[in-house]
Amino acid sequence: KAGVTQTPRYLIKTRGQQVTLSCSPISGHRSVSWYQQTPGQGLQFLFEYFSETQRNKGNFPGRFSGRQFSNSRSEMNVSTLELGDSALYLCASSFQGAPEQYFGPGTRLTVT
Amino acid sequence: ELKVEQNPLFLSMQEGKNYTIYCNYSTTSDRLYWYRQDPGKSLESLFVLLSNGAVKQEGRLMASLDTKARLSTLHITAAVHDLSATYFCAVISGANSKLTFGKGITLSVRP
Repeated sequence: KAGVTQTPRYLIKTRGQQVTLSCSPISGHRSVSWYQQTPGQGLQFLFEYFSETQRNKGNFPGRFSGRQFSNSRSEMNVSTLELGDSALYLCASSFQGAPEQYFGPGTRLTVT
Repeated sequence: ELKVEQNPLFLSMQEGKNYTIYCNYSTTSDRLYWYRQDPGKSLESLFVLLSNGAVKQEGRLMASLDTKARLSTLHITAAVHDLSATYFCAVISGANSKLTFGKGITLSVRP
């Protein structure tokens, strides 16, 4: 079974731009969660989607948004990028009712 | 608010010796996870602990959970260089998939 995939793997953007990151979960998994990892704040939860609905949201500004498609693929968007948005963005997928969460390789975003 | 604390944050280990690292959390939890992260890489799932007294072992690592004390331990037996990495514990509370992570413990194994 293929694992969680994320694209792109690396991204360099300029302050003020926007960016869209993509996550394809493991086949059959309908829950996708997004996390931001920075050296200062560690791993922080962004949001979770299940069956195209946002089920949970972390404490991030409205510049961070996401969505999930009918095939369970998910995208997150960050508008008006700031230097502090530079981070590793990880997505995780899980099967409904199962405790395991599987992480993708991440997208490393650098904002200059 | 659920808080997860790990200690120590950095541990230098000598090859061949045994060590224990700790994960404390602040509220009732349904599930506790241990992940490993190598530099520049993603999170690799090590263990999921679901109930009080749960113990899981994989190779030189053994994790246990005491829900009454809100404490999980990760025991390392006869440390080897390949175990050098950062280890995160994370907790889920309630019927959702939101993981609350600790700051991570960076383990370095020296000869």
